[in-house]
Amino acid sequence: DTAVSQTPKYLVTQMGNDKSIKCEQNLGHDTMYWYKQDSKKFLKIMFSYNNKELIINETVPNRFSPKSPDKAHLNLHINSLELGDSAVYFCASSPRTPRYEQYFGPGTRLTVT
Amino acid sequence: DQQVKQNSPSLSVQEGRISILNCDYTNSMFDYFLWYKKYPAEGPTFLISISSIKDKNEDGRFTVFLNKSAKHLSLHIVPSQPGDSAVYFCAASDQGGSEKLVFGKGTKLTVNP
Repeated sequence: DTAVSQTPKYLVTQMGNDKSIKCEQNLGHDTMYWYKQDSKKFLKIMFSYNNKELIINETVPNRFSPKSPDKAHLNLHINSLELGDSAVYFCASSPRTPRYEQYFGPGTRLTVT
Repeated sequence: DQQVKQNSPSLSVQEGRISILNCDYTNSMFDYFLWYKKYPAEGPTFLISISSIKDKNEDGRFTVFLNKSAKHLSLHIVPSQPGDSAVYFCAASDQGGSEKLVFGKGTKLTVNP
């Protein structure tokens, strides 16, 4: 009965490829997020969706495109992967209130070679 | 521009003693502060939060103190247990604004038996 799940857990790919990471939450939350934890260990928000509508879009290259088919899913598609995209990507969700109380998935470790 | 800073990358304490993790912030618009705990290969899990209208919040062995004038918060764990060994992230949110969470870099706590 995993609350927030991500697939795959590990992803190794070559530069220039296109890849997707999937996220699903079964908590009934309205809002979902994508975070990136880089090599310096900072956890930074990339995107936020509320009821399938984009509400936060940080300064992220447009090679990254989130897609929310329904409010329980938020997928992340990355085009033309670069070495600097190597990181751990976390999906999270939160209820309507308090929105700051977020529940994270286990993370997807992306390695670009 | 680090708006949330955790200046101690690691902390080691003996089981049964108090663990004190510190966090400083620069943005005076932050009005909610949170601590997340993260085990290896897992996502962060919400631990405790505090609103800017309070100066203390307690939940079992965990207490968070907020000093708004100093823009400083701390997490106290008493008594510390080996199972508390994890990375602790401080996070802050401007609930009246963008609502996004801004995370610190984390402090790795090791509780020795």
